[in-house]
Amino acid sequence: GIQVEQSPPDLILQEGANSTLRCNFSDSVNNLQWFHQNPWGQLINLFYIPSGTKQNGRLSATTVATERYSLLYISSSQTTDSGVYFCAVSDRGSTLGRLYFGRGTQLTVWP
Amino acid sequence: SQTIHQWPATLVQPVGSPLSLECTVEGTSNPNLYWYRQAAGRGLQLLFYSIGIDQISSEVPQNLSASRPQDRQFILSSKKLLLSDSGFYLCAWSGQLDTEAFFGQGTRLTVV
Repeated sequence: GIQVEQSPPDLILQEGANSTLRCNFSDSVNNLQWFHQNPWGQLINLFYIPSGTKQNGRLSATTVATERYSLLYISSSQTTDSGVYFCAVSDRGSTLGRLYFGRGTQLTVWP
Repeated sequence: SQTIHQWPATLVQPVGSPLSLECTVEGTSNPNLYWYRQAAGRGLQLLFYSIGIDQISSEVPQNLSASRPQDRQFILSSKKLLLSDSGFYLCAWSGQLDTEAFFGQGTRLTVV
C-alpha cells in the first residue's frame, strides 16, 4: 500500500501562533483527506483535497499531487485546535474510500 | 444529510468473551463501509471493508470478523476476545462515486 509520512510528529505552540503540518505520500493518489482527532477520539473531516488549495476559516490546505505532498496551515492557533491531525490517502487506481493513514501530528496549543 | 452511528462508545470485556460492535449509516444508499482499528501510538489500520450486502473483504488476518446483513449496517464480531484486541475501533463510510470517507464516533474496547 501507499506509505504516508507526516511531520512533525509533535508540535507545541502558544495560542496565536501559526503552524504548518506536512504530509508526504509514496504514490499517486485518488483522494487525500485531513482529519482532526478530538480528545474523545472522533475523526473530524477538515479537508478533502486530492489537489489544489482550500480554505476554511483559520485552516487551509494545499496538495501538490505531482510532487506527492500536502500541507495543512493553521493560523492564529487556539487551545481548541489541540489534538492529533491525520493525513490519509487512497490509491489512484481505486474507487474505494479505503484510506492509508499517516501516524499523525500531535498538536498542543498552550494559552 | 448523511450520518453514521456507532455503538457502544466504550466497552470492557473479559478475555474469551464474544464481541459485537454495530455501525449504521443514514441518508445514503449502497455505501462502502469500513472498520478501522487505532492501537496505542496513533496509527489507524483498516480491518475490513464492504462494497455491498454480504460482501466483506479482510485486510488483516486476525481474531475478528465482519458482516453486513443490511445495506447500511456493518457489524464487527469476535467469538473469543484476546487481550491484543483492545483498541479504538472506528467505522467509516464512503459513497460509490466519491472516495471521501466519514467516520463514526468510535468504540473504545478494553479486554481484561
